[in-house]
Amino acid sequence: DAGITQSPRYKITETGRQVTLMCHQTWSHSYMFWYRQDLGHGLRLIYYSAAADITDKGEVPDGYVVSRSKTENFPLTLESATRSQTSVYFCASSESITPSPLHFGNGTRLTVT
Amino acid sequence: AQSVTQLGSHVSVSEGALVLLRCNYSSSVPPYLFWYVQYPNQGLQLLLKYTTGATLVKGINGFEAEFKKSETSFHLTKPSAHMSDAAEYFCAVTINPNFGNEKLTFGTGTRLTIIP
Repeated sequence: DAGITQSPRYKITETGRQVTLMCHQTWSHSYMFWYRQDLGHGLRLIYYSAAADITDKGEVPDGYVVSRSKTENFPLTLESATRSQTSVYFCASSESITPSPLHFGNGTRLTVT
Repeated sequence: AQSVTQLGSHVSVSEGALVLLRCNYSSSVPPYLFWYVQYPNQGLQLLLKYTTGATLVKGINGFEAEFKKSETSFHLTKPSAHMSDAAEYFCAVTINPNFGNEKLTFGTGTRLTIIP
């Protein structure tokens, strides 16, 4: 089915470990985004990508790395996880630079112990 | 700079009652405004949006919102609440022109509870 898929849905990792969250979309949307959702903060943008091989920082990029070698995939890596990165992470995509709707995945709940 | 404030992190209404979720924005230029809904254990989905033109916009599931420039508000309403409306609602703003979702600012959300 068409859509945006995130994996894993749940992840528990230890402080200092590297972890990668996966995101795959089937719409061929040019734009993709990573957000984190924390109580009291709403959604905050971590990184976004306008096209394959084009990425840029959002509001809270520190401690995260992204890549986009293919249009459909946009993985997010925590190079050395910290407890402050415990959060729910959402991947989203949209069609163009004008404010077209964001299409979200179902999220990854990450716990860093 | 732009910002959005959602008044009330939790709102409870009885089934069949009016739903009113408040959103105020701050923007130095005409904004684009959005309401997104998040059902439990799911991602957000668009309810409705205002870009230009008619200030009363209708969305999915019977929701509507009115852009009031003089009040810098974009409140979300539904005449009669249904149990299935229980969710978290996010207001979001971005400024035009030529800015996209990378400039979208979300509010902190309002959790709507429906009382049977």
